[in-house]
Amino acid sequence: EAGVAQSPRYKIIEKRQSVAFWCNPISGHATLYWYQQILGQGPKLLIQFQNNGVVDDSQLPKDRFSAERLKGVDSTLKIQPAKLEDSAVYLCASSLRGGRRNTEAFFGQGTRLTVV
Amino acid sequence: AQSVTQPDIHITVSEGASLELRCNYSYGATPYLFWYVQSPGQGLQLLLKYFSGDTLVQGIKGFEAEFKRSQSSFNLRKPSVHWSDAAEYFCAVVGGADGLTFGKGTHLIIQP
Repeated sequence: EAGVAQSPRYKIIEKRQSVAFWCNPISGHATLYWYQQILGQGPKLLIQFQNNGVVDDSQLPKDRFSAERLKGVDSTLKIQPAKLEDSAVYLCASSLRGGRRNTEAFFGQGTRLTVV
Repeated sequence: AQSVTQPDIHITVSEGASLELRCNYSYGATPYLFWYVQSPGQGLQLLLKYFSGDTLVQGIKGFEAEFKRSQSSFNLRKPSVHWSDAAEYFCAVVGGADGLTFGKGTHLIIQP
């Protein structure tokens, strides 16, 4: 079974530039998550999709971050404009379906973003 | 809102020795608890989870964890560590929504 695919693996940009990350979840997984992991910290949930609808985006900085999941499969996370404090690993995860008992999430390897 | 505390930032254990990583959670109702492991350059891998029932949970790679409601704890244990266990370990809880709330992690170092 193929895992969660993310690209790119690494990205270096200057502050105020824009950047986009792509995620392809495990086939058939209805729920998709984006997490931000700053160095030395645990991952923080940014946004959760159920199929192509947003379930929770309460911790997404909406003035600069946006995400979409067209057709309920792949997802993109965009930052525009980037700030130095956005330097982090962005992790995508998917699970078969939502609901508290069904949150066995499978994680991709992440995209390491460095903003200079 | 739910939260997770992992009191130990770093832990050093000799190979073959036993291991216990501490996790305390804060959540008003019955928590759903997880332990994940993250090796360098790798994604997070689920070690074990607790939803209900038996409070001693068995996971992969010889790990187990015990849920203690009275102490709001979910500590991870392994009777004998291997050098390959060196990694970052994260405890997590699911609260009202579906997403995971993670602790800050414990970095495990294995001494030969």
